[in-house]
Amino acid sequence: QKEVEQDPGPLSVPEGAIVSLNCTYSNSAFQYFMWYRQYSRKGPELLMYTYSSGNKEDGRFTAQVDKSSKYISLFIRDSQPSDSATYLCAMSEANDYKLSFGAGTTVTVRA
Amino acid sequence: SAVISQKPSRDICQRGTSLTIQCQVDSQVTMMFWYRQQPGQSLTLIATANQGSEATYESGFVIDKFPISRPNLTFSTLTVSNMSPEDSSIYLCSVASGRISSTDTQYFGPGTRLTVL
Repeated sequence: QKEVEQDPGPLSVPEGAIVSLNCTYSNSAFQYFMWYRQYSRKGPELLMYTYSSGNKEDGRFTAQVDKSSKYISLFIRDSQPSDSATYLCAMSEANDYKLSFGAGTTVTVRA
Repeated sequence: SAVISQKPSRDICQRGTSLTIQCQVDSQVTMMFWYRQQPGQSLTLIATANQGSEATYESGFVIDKFPISRPNLTFSTLTVSNMSPEDSSIYLCSVASGRISSTDTQYFGPGTRLTVL
């Protein structure tokens, strides 16, 4: 079993829809949770960064962490074609620089 | 966040040769990392490049295959040695946002796309 599981998709939605992405993990020591966006032929770009359980909102993006269920989510509201990318979840233990990544979910937003 | 550049952006190499990938950051950073991203797979950490000391390699990666240099706080190189087609991948460098602490995260360069024939 992988330490971080992420459905690779692909996920295709119409413009304006809500995109829902999620990851599950097995390591209960993970404390920091991140979402990266990766456009084709580019490096991953940090989108959201959260600590422990709870919600964090940034514009059209909302990240949720449920540590009791070992489950994290990213929601994209009012999706745009420019949101078409691969979204990677990543997480780390406290005071540890090592990140564990999901495999990434490829999202296409249709105009 | 730091601005990170990598050279080359892509290359096609012959089996048995070596390729050195450069990573340049626009500010001094403590921690630099090298990752491999194979199609459909998670990013895998190869090693941590430490300034002034030997790199720290993850399980499954060895110095003879992936020698790393870190001559200063803004630059690092990764060499992929004696390449085989299985080394075809995207190689990414990243930097930690600051000194190692519980609030650090990582920022990535654009990657080097390597194809080995």
